[in-house]
Amino acid sequence: RKEVEQDPGPFNVPEGATVAFNCTYSNSASQSFFWYRQDCRKEPKLLMSVYSSGNEDGRFTAQLNRASQYISLLIRDSKLSDSATYLCAVNPGSGTYKYIFGTGTRLKVLA
Amino acid sequence: NAGVTQTPKFQVLKTGQSMTLQCAQDMNHNSMYWYRQDPGMGLRLIYYSASEGTTDKGEVPNGYNVSRLNKREFSLRLESAAPSQTSVYFCASSEGGVDYGYTFGSGTRLTVV
Repeated sequence: RKEVEQDPGPFNVPEGATVAFNCTYSNSASQSFFWYRQDCRKEPKLLMSVYSSGNEDGRFTAQLNRASQYISLLIRDSKLSDSATYLCAVNPGSGTYKYIFGTGTRLKVLA
Repeated sequence: NAGVTQTPKFQVLKTGQSMTLQCAQDMNHNSMYWYRQDPGMGLRLIYYSASEGTTDKGEVPNGYNVSRLNKREFSLRLESAAPSQTSVYFCASSEGGVDYGYTFGSGTRLTVV
């Protein structure tokens, strides 16, 4: 089993739709979690942190489910500009500063 | 506000050639990282430097070396390039610790023929 797994998609959704992605992790000691957005042939850019209590930034909501070992990203009112690949990143704990990335979920928002 | 700067942006090497990828950050970050990204494999950590003066191996260090020249700069060297090292290389930095995300450079697209 991979340490961090994501459904590669693509998720094709119409403008205005709500879409959610999950990212599962295998190490129960994992400490911190992030979502990144990566546009085609560009670098990943930090989208948001994922806190235990959940957090929201505009149309984006991130949540953590420690019991089932996954994080989620919910996008409401999808825009064409949301089309991108969304990567999750997990810190495996044990005092390390490095992150393990998922392979990403591709989102296409259709007009 | 440059952030993380990588050079070169593109490079073609012949098998067996060597080269150094340069990375510099101007955010006074403590930690720096080198990842490679391949289709279907995601981002894989090559080496990282938690702080100035320290370096550690990541998931795929074979065939690479690194130097943390100072707090700003972290270089990645390929001593004898192989076709399997054809990839997109990203440098990243963070303030350090588990609560901070990364800032990535724009990447180096390397082809080894």
